Amino acid sequence: DQQVKQNSPSLSVQEGRISILNCDYTNSMFDYFLWYKKYPAEGPTFLISISSIKDKNEDGRFTVFLNKSAKHLSLHIVPSQPGDSAVYFCAASVLISSGSARQLTFGSGTQLTVLP
Amino acid sequence: GAGVSQSPRYKVAKRGQDVALRCDPISGHVSLFWYQQALGQGPEFLTYFQNEAQLDKSGLPSDRFFAERPEGSVSTLKIQRTQQEDSAVYLCASSLAWSGGRADTQYFGPGTRLTVL
Repeated sequence: DQQVKQNSPSLSVQEGRISILNCDYTNSMFDYFLWYKKYPAEGPTFLISISSIKDKNEDGRFTVFLNKSAKHLSLHIVPSQPGDSAVYFCAASVLISSGSARQLTFGSGTQLTVLP
Repeated sequence: GAGVSQSPRYKVAKRGQDVALRCDPISGHVSLFWYQQALGQGPEFLTYFQNEAQLDKSGLPSDRFFAERPEGSVSTLKIQRTQQEDSAVYLCASSLAWSGGRADTQYFGPGTRLTVL
């Protein structure tokens, strides 16, 4: 059973417009959420994160929104640029039992294509 | 500075063969993670090390999978008697440490693509 779901495998937007990527989760124990970006033949790269005590976090063109009651988060990219074309993974984290690190649970990813 | 490196980048194995995948984390990073990423899926957690101690191996799919980090830096993921379902990209990630309640960013390597024929 997938605990983190990204229901849109792909998304295309025009350069300069807003990209909205969505993610849903089921486990209420998750208390920290992250977005990673992945280019082909590279590992995922951290993009932005949000703690469960917040509902919004902004970093430049990237904003993540968290709706805890709906168990939903979204990533907004504005304005979108062709270089943003990549696979975006949503991840949710929970403390590993030893308390020394966090285990990440990833969604299946959304391929974003920004058209020039 | 140098990021996480993994070798080999690609590995083709015959079914039943043993393989060893290497991860060089960022220097000074205490935590090291292994993930398995099947085609079209997100990475799935396999195991976690804090220095040389393997503190969580709950994600290892079978006893054919074994990981070690004997000196607290380089790690090796070993898969014995490989099966076709083991075909995937194996990702390694490292992070500095747990610090003051804030989640510590995991930095990923490029992965090793394993194909079992």
